[in-house]
Amino acid sequence: GAGVSQSPSNKVTEKGKDVELRCDPISGHTALYWYRQSLGQGLEFLIYFQGNSAPDKSGLPSDRFSAERTGGSVSTLTIQRTQQEDSAVYLCASSLSGTGRSPLHFGNGTRLTVT
Amino acid sequence: DQQVKQNSPSLSVQEGRISILNCDYTNSMFDYFLWYKKYPAEGPTFLISISSIKDKNEDGRFTVFLNKSAKHLSLHIVPSQPGDSAVYFCAASEKGYKYIFGTGTRLKVLA
Repeated sequence: GAGVSQSPSNKVTEKGKDVELRCDPISGHTALYWYRQSLGQGLEFLIYFQGNSAPDKSGLPSDRFSAERTGGSVSTLTIQRTQQEDSAVYLCASSLSGTGRSPLHFGNGTRLTVT
Repeated sequence: DQQVKQNSPSLSVQEGRISILNCDYTNSMFDYFLWYKKYPAEGPTFLISISSIKDKNEDGRFTVFLNKSAKHLSLHIVPSQPGDSAVYFCAASEKGYKYIFGTGTRLKVLA
């Protein structure tokens, strides 16, 4: 497909379990972003990748959150020992260059529910 | 500290009339602004952007206005259509990659 693809679209997990969220960006897009949207909130920046490196991880809420990107393409966001406050929609976006002049193209998100 | 604010959580407009969505920001270093539209269960979709060197950008029914001195931007949709009913987010970036988003305004266009 031509767009950003995220999987799974929905994930329900028990508190304390680990989860992995996957993002396939648009082919050729060097920049990749993770945001999350909690209920009634705006989009909260989590992490930014340029290629495989993450120059800005400042939005990750705690050390339970980590992300990696391989081959300049697929990215995985991992949340360890999930807590109920982690429940949110996790959105991945990619852009052509990451220079701040390229619009972000978003996937449809993964809705995470921690019970 | 919220750098990008959308103070109206919701807005209702009659079909065919103009919709005006507002966004305020606090960081004078922001130099690129975007508007996104979001339908339920979908990711945000890019609508229109504006650079700080301009004060207006138009694309079809959508026009974005930027008032740098007031640190304010607005999105005008005219004429509004029922399919425009969605949540609209403004976003801003400062000479780089990081986009800060507002909390969104839910627009309802009444037929």
